[in-house]
Amino acid sequence: GAVVSQHPSRVICKSGTSVKIECRSLDFQATTMFWYRQFPKQSLMLMATSNEGSKATYEQGVEKDKFLINHASLTLSTLTVTSAHPEDSSFYICSASVSGGSIYEQYFGPGTRLTVT
Amino acid sequence: LAKTTQPISMDSYEGQEVNITCSHNNIATNDYITWYQQFPSQGPRFIIQGYKTKVTNEVASLFIPADRKSSTLSLPRVSLSDTAVYYCLVASNTGGFKTIFGAGTRLFVKA
Repeated sequence: GAVVSQHPSRVICKSGTSVKIECRSLDFQATTMFWYRQFPKQSLMLMATSNEGSKATYEQGVEKDKFLINHASLTLSTLTVTSAHPEDSSFYICSASVSGGSIYEQYFGPGTRLTVT
Repeated sequence: LAKTTQPISMDSYEGQEVNITCSHNNIATNDYITWYQQFPSQGPRFIIQGYKTKVTNEVASLFIPADRKSSTLSLPRVSLSDTAVYYCLVASNTGGFKTIFGAGTRLFVKA
């Protein structure tokens, strides 16, 4: 149980284009989902907290106009990297907490490798 | 939110018990401690979570002293497949949900 998927697993895009990454909770409902990014050999950094039906809460230093988050249903959150640049190349990972459960228990997706050329 | 400190790397041999300690000196009353395992190019996998004292599940034990300023993940009888990065995470839901992942401990299990 508590499986989270991400799509795509890998994406290569050209500088200036936008990329959408999907995060789905497959066997549970998730009121709250989280987006992280991870650079090579570094730890995960929380980018934003996404709540179903409301605006996401972004961490300090994360541009909300660049990283658009939509959490339109209890099983799907999307992260759109707008006008991507090479420095946005990273491993993006989402996680989700079970609705009605502990927010402290996060289940992570497999990650999406974004490469901007 | 409490900053976490972990050893950068550890080596072990198959069959040994491995203990990884994480310091979180400024942990707050409502913060929880969770440990994750991560393999290259994969998302973190939940290992164990605790608030205080000792928690045990089928894969690990978590020891948290009374002052909660540190926590120790104990992996019994490691195998080669336990070679991974282990992260301790302090999470707070006071004034908005926050998480701080430690830098991670690279565990290398040798035959």
